[in-house]
Amino acid sequence: GAVVSQHPSRVICKSGTSVKIECRSLDFQATTMFWYRQFPKQSLMLMATSNEGSKATYEQGVEKDKFLINHASLTLSTLTVTSAHPEDSSFYICSATETGTGPEKLFFGSGTQLSVL
Amino acid sequence: LAKITQPISMDSYEGQEVNITCSHNNIATNDYITWYQQFPSQGPRFIIQGYKTKVTNEVASLFIPADRKSSTLSLPRVSLSDTAVYYCLVGTDSGYALNFGKGTSLLVTP
Repeated sequence: GAVVSQHPSRVICKSGTSVKIECRSLDFQATTMFWYRQFPKQSLMLMATSNEGSKATYEQGVEKDKFLINHASLTLSTLTVTSAHPEDSSFYICSATETGTGPEKLFFGSGTQLSVL
Repeated sequence: LAKITQPISMDSYEGQEVNITCSHNNIATNDYITWYQQFPSQGPRFIIQGYKTKVTNEVASLFIPADRKSSTLSLPRVSLSDTAVYYCLVGTDSGYALNFGKGTSLLVTP
């Protein structure tokens, strides 16, 4: 099946610093990638949808200036948490859909646990 | 978006068959039904997808009645490693990715 690689798997940073998370589709082209946030024992919350070569679409309540998303190629999307604060600590997950197969089959990365001190 | 209802939790013993039902009364004509499995601190993993009737793969079966207002994920002979949260997603196009409900937390014990 399609593989989505997400790095880093865990990051600890100081408050005020920025953190970049990468999401790569390894064996397929992904025109659309999704970024989620998940708090302990809660479901996934969609943050934004990114399409290759265009600006990301953010869900209501998600600060686009804080969570910068770039989808510069068909295999790579990045999420940068700018000026991170402790309340940004969470599990971040990306997913991608394979070009031409429709968005109904999502392939997920392994997630990134962000801890902001 | 289809409104999804599934049990919050289920318990099972090893070796039993587990059936998790998802209700989606307002499913649209073009909507697909997909199930994902998530272990703690991991991204969800695709299990199975269907549109109607029955779909079977190497890990599960998905039963969808004719009216498509519900679906049942069937896990044959579960093991301890099947302890996870199972999500039912319903939708199509860009709205699909939005629709993670609370999921069903399955606990398998010896």
